[in-house]
Amino acid sequence: AQSVTQLDSHVSVSEGTPVLLRCNYSSSYSPSLFWYVQHPNKGLQLLLKYTSAATLVKGINGFEAEFKKSETSFHLTKPSAHMSDAAEYFCVVSERGANDMRFGAGTRLTVKP
Amino acid sequence: KAGVTQTPRYLIKTRGQQVTLSCSPISGHRSVSWYQQTPGQGLQFLFEYFSETQRNKGNFPGRFSGRQFSNSRSEMNVSTLELGDSALYLCASSLEIGPDTQYFGPGTRLTVL
Repeated sequence: AQSVTQLDSHVSVSEGTPVLLRCNYSSSYSPSLFWYVQHPNKGLQLLLKYTSAATLVKGINGFEAEFKKSETSFHLTKPSAHMSDAAEYFCVVSERGANDMRFGAGTRLTVKP
Repeated sequence: KAGVTQTPRYLIKTRGQQVTLSCSPISGHRSVSWYQQTPGQGLQFLFEYFSETQRNKGNFPGRFSGRQFSNSRSEMNVSTLELGDSALYLCASSLEIGPDTQYFGPGTRLTVL
């Protein structure tokens, strides 16, 4: 069965500095990979998804992620953090659909002024 | 296009009561999935409905049930509430069943006293 590990439970950056949120996955097949963001008391918003097309995936709000099969990683990056980026981020792997979506434990991003 | 809507946003119930949560998917989406989010267990899949039929079910007791109507709207019911049912319940919709992108609603925060 597939699984996902978010390597950091909490990341703190200063506004204007780069963001790196790390995610490793395990899958027997060619999975779909997603990054979602959750602001306090809100639902999950899709940032980007990988579905075996380009390995570098561009998402909303300046985020992007690179699929590296050899490293089984799907790290999320952003060149310059903004205060509004402070939220919880979830890496998700899926092979067949909603019933087998595996969510990471989440990484809480704090952005300092 | 309007996003996924969930009602009510907040609920307070006591042990032993039952509760019904409602979810309206994005127009044209035929698949609706439900998830439970708690600090301890993270995000867990409850069930998925497509064309008014439950297609997949997660590892939850029979107290958790749901249904989908012909307009794709879905309801989730929890009977005989327990303290541990306190959680954020998220609904997500997608165009089709299978490895398709899930779009999440804002959630219903259920507190069981």
